[in-house]
Amino acid sequence: DIQMTQSPSSLSASVGDRVTITCRASQSISSYLNWYQQKPGKAPKLLIYAASSLQSGVPSRFSGSGSGTEFTLTISSLQPEDFATYYCQQSYSAYTFGQGTKLEIK
Amino acid sequence: EVQLVQSGAEVKKTGESLRISCKGSGYTFTRSKISWVRQMPGKGLEWIGRIDPSDYNSNYSPSLQGHGTISVDKSIDTAYLQWSSLEASDSATYYCARHNAYYYDTDGYYDYFDRWGQGTLVTVSS
Repeated sequence: DIQMTQSPSSLSASVGDRVTITCRASQSISSYLNWYQQKPGKAPKLLIYAASSLQSGVPSRFSGSGSGTEFTLTISSLQPEDFATYYCQQSYSAYTFGQGTKLEIK
Repeated sequence: EVQLVQSGAEVKKTGESLRISCKGSGYTFTRSKISWVRQMPGKGLEWIGRIDPSDYNSNYSPSLQGHGTISVDKSIDTAYLQWSSLEASDSATYYCARHNAYYYDTDGYYDYFDRWGQGTLVTVSS
């Protein structure tokens, strides 16, 4: 199985901050990496697919980068609605999610 | 509008059977695979398995094999996750998700889950 490790596990930030979340794969997964946002009591929502492609309707302050084993999700200027938990997911071999990064208000 | 609508919350006893459902609408159901994802209370997302409604082919996570069987009824655009004998550890919220793909060449594509159901909470007690 391919293991996905996110860092940090939790993060405190303020509205307007630039935030970066990292996801590392246990082996190379090319660009087979997706990012999801989940708010409490809600289903996950797709933000980024294929490492850097922005899903339709997702604000442009979200961006993704990386390939191989290291990937990042960046939020350029945090908005109040962005406080949530973020998950990376590899789709190179079956599907595995990272453990999640909880983004909280400072 | 593409939608996946799941069946309601269930409360069951250990050893009982259960089937939960996920109905697709707003798209051609047989054109997209459906996955099921488990989220135990306060925990992260775990992929259980997927099914291709066009040919009924299914694949499961080696880690979660035995934790539910996936099926589909194409005639009513509905996917199912079922258990024959529930355990307390099956207590979780279960999500269905639609697959989509971005093709980068004739045979190669990036696969992702672009629509999700609202989730079904399953509570199993002794």
